[in-house]
Amino acid sequence: GESVGLHLPTLSVQEGDNSIINCAYSNSASDYFIWYKQESGKGPQFIIDIRSNMDKRQGQRVTVLLNKTVKHLSLQIAATQPGDSAVYFCAENKDGGNQFYFGTGTSLTVIP
Amino acid sequence: GAGVSQTPSNKVTEKGKYVELRCDPISGHTALYWYRQSLGQGPEFLIYFQGTGAADDSGLPNDRFFAVRPEGSVSTLKIQRTERGDSAVYLCASSLTENEKLFFGSGTQLSVL
Repeated sequence: GESVGLHLPTLSVQEGDNSIINCAYSNSASDYFIWYKQESGKGPQFIIDIRSNMDKRQGQRVTVLLNKTVKHLSLQIAATQPGDSAVYFCAENKDGGNQFYFGTGTSLTVIP
Repeated sequence: GAGVSQTPSNKVTEKGKYVELRCDPISGHTALYWYRQSLGQGPEFLIYFQGTGAADDSGLPNDRFFAVRPEGSVSTLKIQRTERGDSAVYLCASSLTENEKLFFGSGTQLSVL
């Protein structure tokens, strides 16, 4: 079946270092990808998105890279801060449609 | 408020009871989604509305689950004859239109005893 998966369930980084969170997807027809951050007790919060006609997109301290050849997505967080500690999810719109599938998430812990 | 609002934030019920969960999307957003999230898992798609109609309800687990959006704004997720396995956080999200980024509410924590 189709799936969105993450390579690492947990990640610990030192404050100030850069973080990289990876995501693999299996549906080559997916054309829109979104990264979300979820803190305990809250709903997922939009971070950044990218469509399949791009391979890189930058926001404030965050960069998303899309490699369609190997169906891989990554989120890079520059100068990670304690407030970045959360669970991060990638989501894809399966078959290029309107239903978004989420992976199981990566828990990021920032060590002060 | 400017964000997606969900009520109640917590709901405790007994097995076999009926519950309704409400979602008030961002004003002007035509698309509305319901997801269910179990502890340690990612959100699981349940149903998607475009306007008043359910465009895709393929994620509803069985016929005990039903959702409506009669006026194309507020939506209600209805669960009949609740079971302990229904316990989860139910998340609502809205987007300006189809295939756009989703904005989530804080969810309703449903506990079935």
